[in-house]
Amino acid sequence: DGGITQSPKYLFRKEGQNVTLSCEQNLNHDAMYWYRQDPGQGLRLIYYSQIVNDFQKGDIAEGYSVSREKKESFPLTVTSAQKNPTAFYLCASSDPRREDTDTQYFGPGTRLTVL
Amino acid sequence: QKEVEQNSGPLSVPEGAIASLNCTYSDRGSQSFFWYRQYSGKSPELIMSIYSNGDKEDGRFTAQLNKASQYVSLLIRDSQPSDSATYLCAVLSGTNAGKSTFGDGTTLTVKP
Repeated sequence: DGGITQSPKYLFRKEGQNVTLSCEQNLNHDAMYWYRQDPGQGLRLIYYSQIVNDFQKGDIAEGYSVSREKKESFPLTVTSAQKNPTAFYLCASSDPRREDTDTQYFGPGTRLTVL
Repeated sequence: QKEVEQNSGPLSVPEGAIASLNCTYSDRGSQSFFWYRQYSGKSPELIMSIYSNGDKEDGRFTAQLNKASQYVSLLIRDSQPSDSATYLCAVLSGTNAGKSTFGDGTTLTVKP
């Protein structure tokens, strides 16, 4: 059963802590993405990776870090430098080699709350 | 000006009516356009993708693209209460490979 999984579904963080959000896909997609969504708003791109061991900053990368050591995995770390991290975080993947190029498929999301 | 703008909602239509959702974009080099549906508290799911000028139909959904006017729309015919959701327009950058920009979404309510 192919798809994208994100864990945990809910995450609570104390101020000053770093936390890591997991994203795994078994779709054999080359590209992966991290978005942040705030209430009533669209998705804002944090980081994206088009190939293993390479990634680019999106529009709101400050306070976040990523790694792409394996094709299947693209974890996101929310650092203490991110001043307002409470949001819904979405991971997505796509396969630019497909005819429906760059259609993104989303995981179920992680809801992060800072206490 | 935002890179991708959607008509402000919320939009309310009666069951069986046509819902019209609009989106404009600023990047003239964009070639790929997507409509996603997002139910409250859930992740977005793809409804339609469109790459060429004109109309593309899939069941009750029709996407329309006009690159000259930098405009893309989604029509939902015979709207159902289950169509009530937020609809997100996404545009793939023509200059930054792999980078998509999303609009803020339009919330649609279909009243029985």
